[in-house]
Amino acid sequence: AQSVSQHNHHVILSEAASLELGCNYSYGGTVNLFWYVQYPGQHLQLLLKYFSGDPLVKGIKGFEAEFIKSKFSFNLRKPSVQWSDTAEYFCAVWVGTYKYIFGTGTRLKVLA
Amino acid sequence: DTGVSQDPRHKITKRGQNVTFRCDPISEHNRLYWYRQTLGQGPEFLTYFQNEAQLEKSRLLSDRFSAERPKGSFSTLEIQRTEQGDSAMYLCASSPRAPDTQYFGPGTRLTVL
Repeated sequence: AQSVSQHNHHVILSEAASLELGCNYSYGGTVNLFWYVQYPGQHLQLLLKYFSGDPLVKGIKGFEAEFIKSKFSFNLRKPSVQWSDTAEYFCAVWVGTYKYIFGTGTRLKVLA
Repeated sequence: DTGVSQDPRHKITKRGQNVTFRCDPISEHNRLYWYRQTLGQGPEFLTYFQNEAQLEKSRLLSDRFSAERPKGSFSTLEIQRTEQGDSAMYLCASSPRAPDTQYFGPGTRLTVL
């Protein structure tokens, strides 16, 4: 079955620490990959997306993600987190036709 | 604000009652999605509209759930004979094409007592 796994459910970091959130998907076809973020009290919003081309994708607020096809992974990274990055992060995969599958999310808390 | 709006934001109902939620997508977006999200989980796909046509419906959606999008504009999601297991956040999203960025509304939080 198609699925998206986010292995880190809760992450706590100090400001300036580096961040890497894992995302693995189970789908054999052409994928389109997304990271969404939900800041406290706000809507889900797009952080970055990958459709094709350069597998290293840059998004808003200094985030980037790398698509590794052989590992079915799309990990999110940020070299130096800020307190304002405290949020919940969701990886999502478009699996064709109409359907998006979301991971269970990772709650990130950044300590000032 | 020209984003996706949802109404109501919160709904508390008693088991067995019917509830209806409304979603107003971004006006130029012809694709509209409904999701359900429970605590500790990501959004779970419920159904999809392209214009007024409902093209996909999750097998998780029981016969008590129905959705419409008359004239391809706003959409409604109705739950009949609510059960406590229906308690969740119901999210609506729209996009101009698929695949593409989905723009999410604030959600309707349903509590079934």
